[in-house]
Amino acid sequence: QKEVEQNSGPLSVPEGAIASLNCTYSDRGSQSFFWYRQYSGKSPELIMFIYSNGDKEDGRFTAQLNKASQYVSLLIRDSQPSDSATYLCAPRSSASKIIFGSGTRLSIRP
Amino acid sequence: DAGVIQSPRHEVTEMGQEVTLRCKPISGHDYLFWYRQTMMRGLELLIYFNNNVPIDDSGMPEDRFSAKMPNASFSTLKIQPSEPRDSAVYFCASTIGQDLATEAFFGQGTRLTVV
Repeated sequence: QKEVEQNSGPLSVPEGAIASLNCTYSDRGSQSFFWYRQYSGKSPELIMFIYSNGDKEDGRFTAQLNKASQYVSLLIRDSQPSDSATYLCAPRSSASKIIFGSGTRLSIRP
Repeated sequence: DAGVIQSPRHEVTEMGQEVTLRCKPISGHDYLFWYRQTMMRGLELLIYFNNNVPIDDSGMPEDRFSAKMPNASFSTLKIQPSEPRDSAVYFCASTIGQDLATEAFFGQGTRLTVV
């Protein structure tokens, strides 16, 4: 079992719709969770972080965490073509180890 | 702060040669990570340091790879001898250990091509 699992996609979503990205992780000691966005040829950049069970909203982005199910998700509302990228899930352990999932490629079609 | 700085940005080398990648973390960050990214394997953690001490090197693929952090502002990742399958983008990242809400900040990466 991989430490962090994501659907590789590509996930195709029409412009203006909601994109839903999912991630499961195996380390129950993970204490915080990051979502990064990576454009082709660029470095990963932070979109959201969450460390408490429930939802956290920031603009068009909502992160959801369920530690009992070891599941974290990212919702993108009103999807824009500029949201087309690879989204990486990254749990951070109590030892500050940060492991990345393989990423989900998201494509927003006009 | 200028962020995490990596050099070189691009490296092309012949199989069998030694390659050294360099990283300067953000000042004040006490954790430093080396990652490798390929299409097939995604973003893999190779090794990470805390206060210049290697904490976990279980991701280092084999003995040809070595990493050092002689001081808080500099780290190297060395491949000797290099092989074509080492071709990838290598990222360095840094963070603050005491704040679990702080993410890893990435450098621009080094694109390595071994021919």
